[in-house]
Formats: sequence, structure tokens, C-alpha cells
Amino acid sequence: AQRVTQPEKLLSVFKGAPVELKCNYSYSGSPELFWYVQYSRQRLQLLLRHISRESIKGFTADLNKGETSFHLKKPFAQEEDSAMYYCALNPEKLTFGTGTRLTIIP
Amino acid sequence: DAGVTQSPTHLIKTRGQQVTLRCSPKSGHDTVSWYQQALGQGPQFIFQYYEEEERQRGNFPDRFSGHQFPNYSSELNVNALLLGDSALYLCASSLPSGLFTEAFFGQGTRLTVV
Repeated sequence: AQRVTQPEKLLSVFKGAPVELKCNYSYSGSPELFWYVQYSRQRLQLLLRHISRESIKGFTADLNKGETSFHLKKPFAQEEDSAMYYCALNPEKLTFGTGTRLTIIP
Repeated sequence: DAGVTQSPTHLIKTRGQQVTLRCSPKSGHDTVSWYQQALGQGPQFIFQYYEEEERQRGNFPDRFSGHQFPNYSSELNVNALLLGDSALYLCASSLPSGLFTEAFFGQGTRLTVV
């Protein structure tokens, strides 16, 4: 069975401080991992995927197969980063974590 | 392109009734997936349709069924509604699987069972 764990339901960070949203997964095959974001009153949208190794809105995430983790990081938080973040596994039938609500304190 | 559109946006049904939710995929997409998102939880995969057939299914009972039409739009049907079926139902469309498959989500249908 595949599973995604996001240990923090809520995370508050001061503007300008570093951000790290944790994600751990369990999957027997070769994992494909994603971060989805939902801003207030907007639909769920893809933020980034591990396979493209790109930085979106200053966020990066590295897949660590040894630790089965895919943590999302940003060096300097901005107020517009406040949103709900979901880690997800396997594009064919996405398995989501329970999400982390990130609040940036001005 | 309006993206993925779902109807209705809100719905209230009585326990035991049946409900049909509708989804139009993003232009050019032929694969539709449905998710259930209970309050405080992440979306849970219900099933996926491609070429008018159910291709994958999550851990949901047979009361949940679906359909995909030749124009790629899709319906989710839930029979014998339970109070626990109250949730936000999300539709997502995508291209068939590949390295850069991205799911585009609709705004969802909020179903309340009373």
C-alpha cells in the first residue's frame, strides 16, 4: 500500500525566515512525488514535481529515497506563501497526505 | 480555456438518496479522476476513467460508480447516501500517464448528506 505522511497540520513562520514542510512516503515501487498547493479560495494546483527538479516560486524539494522523504523548502518565506500544502505520490492514482496549513507572519 | 469545471457547486441530499456529480475536463485532456476530500483530510482517490472505462479504483464501495462520455466529460454517482459521504468531491483531468502527467483540479462539489 502507498502512504504519504505530513506530520505538521499547522506551521507558522515569520516573513523572511526559512520554510520546511515535511513529507514522508511509503511505496514499494519507484515513487513519483509532487507538491500541490491550495491558496485561499482557489483550486488545488501543482506546485512542483520531483522528476523535473525545478524551483517554483522559490520552493524546492529533493527526493531522498533512503529516508523516503520529499520535504518542501524555501529559504525566505513571503506572505503570499500562506496556503494549504499537500504532498502526493504516484500520478496514476494520486495519494495525498493530510496537508499542512502554512501561515506566514508579517 | 475554463479549465476543469464541476457542477453543481453545492448539494444537500437526504440519507439513502442517490446523487450525480458532473465534471468537464480541461480542453485536450482525456483522463478524468475523482477524489473525495473529507473535512481536515487530503483528497482520497475514488477512481479514474480513460477511454470511457474505469482504469483504476481506490478503496471505495460499489455504491460509488462513474461514467465517462465520448466527449471525455464524466459523472460520479453515489447510491444509498450515508452521512459519512458528506465531503468535497474533486474532479481532476490529465493526459494519459507519462513522466510529466499533471492533474488539473476543479473547484469541487460540496455534498452534504442530512
